[in-house]
Amino acid sequence: GENVEQHPSTLSVQEGDSAVIKCTYSDSASNYFPWYKQELGKRPQLIIDIRSNVGEKKDQRIAVTLNKTAKHFSLHITETQPEDSAVYFCAEAFGNEKLTFGTGTRLTIIP
Amino acid sequence: DAGITQSPRHKVTETGTPVTLRCHQTENHRYMYWYRQDPGHGLRLIHYSYGVKDTDKGEVSDGYSVSRSKTEDFLLTLESATSSQTSVYFCAISESGTEGAGYTFGSGTRLTVV
Repeated sequence: GENVEQHPSTLSVQEGDSAVIKCTYSDSASNYFPWYKQELGKRPQLIIDIRSNVGEKKDQRIAVTLNKTAKHFSLHITETQPEDSAVYFCAEAFGNEKLTFGTGTRLTIIP
Repeated sequence: DAGITQSPRHKVTETGTPVTLRCHQTENHRYMYWYRQDPGHGLRLIHYSYGVKDTDKGEVSDGYSVSRSKTEDFLLTLESATSSQTSVYFCAISESGTEGAGYTFGSGTRLTVV
């Protein structure tokens, strides 16, 4: 992977509403797309990932969609809760080695 | 814990001094990585290793060197620290690169260069 753009940089949503974060990438050969969550002062942690042979993946309230033609992928969080407040990073990779990360989205859930 | 520890957790150093950060893993994973995290830039790869004595540069490698003499240890050295290297440094490990379960990150080292 070479370059990944992430939007928005900040996002505030009412508790219970949905949040969507989008990333675009430039390398059409990229085939692995994970999402990481980083709480304040903590390490980034993998929350969900998707590979290029799959268009969508869900894990409870979290889902990731991938559009390889348009070269973008998105994180969807439904029924947001206060503990979802964090910085979220998308990433991409080609092959088996290193990840290239987006610049992050600070998500704030308003009670 | 996560099987990966970084030391020190915090360090303040003077411009021009050499600094070494250590990453230690107990998972016997093949791949190890050093990233730096800065506001507005996300996580940027400095160097990575795909085995003992096998390392390669990332996108922001200037001013940094690494060594991996044992599977469990990956050292990052700032040869002559500058203020632009003030950052939070994260080490990560991976069993089989991106074909595995993704990265596991250490807790980070906050480095301040004054």
